[in-house]
Amino acid sequence: NAGVTQTPKFQVLKTGQSMTLQCAQDMNHNSMYWYRQDPGMGLRLIYYSASEGTTDKGEVPNGYNVSRLNKREFSLRLESAAPSQTSVYFCAGRDTNYGYTFGSGTRLTVV
Amino acid sequence: GENVEQHPSTLSVQEGDSAVIKCTYSDSASNYFPWYKQELGKRPQLIIDIRSNVGEKKDQRIAVTLNKTAKHFSLHITETQPEDSAVYFCAASFRGGADGLTFGKGTHLIIQP
Repeated sequence: NAGVTQTPKFQVLKTGQSMTLQCAQDMNHNSMYWYRQDPGMGLRLIYYSASEGTTDKGEVPNGYNVSRLNKREFSLRLESAAPSQTSVYFCAGRDTNYGYTFGSGTRLTVV
Repeated sequence: GENVEQHPSTLSVQEGDSAVIKCTYSDSASNYFPWYKQELGKRPQLIIDIRSNVGEKKDQRIAVTLNKTAKHFSLHITETQPEDSAVYFCAASFRGGADGLTFGKGTHLIIQP
């Protein structure tokens, strides 16, 4: 039982490059979320998926896209990376008692 | 949208003393208030939560209180131990977090030996 798994754990991109952050869960969560965490800023919601086949914008969606491939997988794509997207990215799933389970995070640096 | 303010940003207490972290929220429709603990380099983990139909909840050394009228809630940790050192985040949401949680900016709790 792996919980919520994110890949990769670390990534360095050049400005303008694209990449996809992967997230998979085996906890049967209907709802999944992508957050970014910056020093002194807490966690800010980028996008979420309340159920398979639906996605919605969060607080800071600009520069990102998401895909809810199936119930297990929810990916985050950066089409043209910018230095302002340097951050730690967390994926999370929500259980029926409302609690979130977070993945271990992806530390992304854009140079 | 919802806005959550958290204070203090840093809290240093002696081992064995109590620690209190406070949060205020702006949306009176919010009904779910979790607290997460994040150790350095690790993922946030849920430690306790409270729903708007309850005023207080306790789990061993940790308790959370909610004042809906004043729109604030607090985390209380008693008999602090070195392993309590971490960053703590409060959050608030409507619909139990289904549309996402709005987090405070965090409190770095330091337990002095």
